[in-house]
Amino acid sequence: GESVGLHLPTLSVQEGDNSIINCAYSNSASDYFIWYKQESGKGPQFIIDIRSNMDKRQGQRVTVLLNKTVKHLSLQIAATQPGDSAVYFCAERLNDYKLSFGAGTTVTVRA
Amino acid sequence: EADIYQTPRYLVIGTGKKITLECSQTMGHDKMYWYQQDPGMELHLIHYSYGVNSTEKGDLSSESTVSRIRTEHFPLTLESARPSHTSQYLCASSGEVYEQYFGPGTRLTVT
Repeated sequence: GESVGLHLPTLSVQEGDNSIINCAYSNSASDYFIWYKQESGKGPQFIIDIRSNMDKRQGQRVTVLLNKTVKHLSLQIAATQPGDSAVYFCAERLNDYKLSFGAGTTVTVRA
Repeated sequence: EADIYQTPRYLVIGTGKKITLECSQTMGHDKMYWYQQDPGMELHLIHYSYGVNSTEKGDLSSESTVSRIRTEHFPLTLESARPSHTSQYLCASSGEVYEQYFGPGTRLTVT
């Protein structure tokens, strides 16, 4: 079946640096994507979303980029902080009720 | 902050016991979901519901069952727990938009 996946399972970043988390998707018809953050012992928390009619969307310290040509999604975190340490998932909308989640990237922020 | 609750947060139980994991949301969302997740791994949809008296099986086969008698309540039941059921169970809900709001999860250990 079609699924969303992440390029790297782990990412170590120095505090204050920018982080880039990547995700590849296979369904060229997908029209909506979400990034979630999951801290240890908690459920996933919405970070930012983007529709397929956009290439870029910015939030507070985060930017999501969508490249439909190569079916690639990325999440950029500016000035990474210790509180950004978590597992990050991208999700792809399959239909009106289903999201397909990738395997996640564990981000560790070094002091 | 999403208002979706799960109890218990942690449960250790012996093989063969019947268990019910509770999930409630106060947002009036029609759609609710149960996911199974091993630590740091992707989320697998095991059940979902469009609304009251509607339940469907998800992508991952599960021996659990669900019910949806009230909009706000979506409990998951395992009739006879086994060690292979050890995992984290996440409940989520969504309304008119595609974003799913997650509860904190129940970490189940079957001994």
